[in-house]
Amino acid sequence: SQTIHQWPATLVQPVGSPLSLECTVEGTSNPNLYWYRQAAGRGLQLLFYSVGIGQISSEVPQNLSASRPQDRQFILSSKKLLLSDSGFYLCAWSADRGTEAFFGQGTRLTVV
Amino acid sequence: GQQLNQSPQSMFIQEGEDVSMNCTSSSIFNTWLWYKQDPGEGPVLLIALYKAGELTSNGRLTAQFGITRKDSFLNISASIPSDVGIYFCAGQKYGGSQGNLIFGKGTKLSVKP
Repeated sequence: SQTIHQWPATLVQPVGSPLSLECTVEGTSNPNLYWYRQAAGRGLQLLFYSVGIGQISSEVPQNLSASRPQDRQFILSSKKLLLSDSGFYLCAWSADRGTEAFFGQGTRLTVV
Repeated sequence: GQQLNQSPQSMFIQEGEDVSMNCTSSSIFNTWLWYKQDPGEGPVLLIALYKAGELTSNGRLTAQFGITRKDSFLNISASIPSDVGIYFCAGQKYGGSQGNLIFGKGTKLSVKP
């Protein structure tokens, strides 16, 4: 069966520090991968999606970037965090775009 | 980005009551999905719908894909305290690999024991 792992679960970072959140999927090949942000426990905002290694599409302009160095690995990064980057970040995968998406446990990021 | 119209935004109900929430769109959708998110967790898929008119149950949950393909509803019967959470609808407008899921803004459910 397929599983998705996302870490860390919580993170407190100072303003201006770098960020790296990692997500890996097991039990499937060539998944579509997604990074979402959720503010204040509501509404899922799609940040990035990837249909293959090295292929990243950005949905909204922002202070973050994403990379997919391996088929089942998706990384969310920032060189310098802003206060507004605080939120709940969710990684997800699907077998195809627009089909059922399966989410990781999420990372609570607090920028102080 | 474009979002579905999900209502109500929040609900406060008594344990044992039935719950109904829905999502609507001005566009036709090919897929409707319903998720539940517990506090501090990622959303979990509850029900997936693929055909107009389709009615699918998962325990006390029932969801339907509207016949016009522009709406979907989720019903929860005989609510219990563990039903608390945020419920999201999601849909896809296009077939195949042509578009990502679009999410509603969620319905926050609170259950009073």
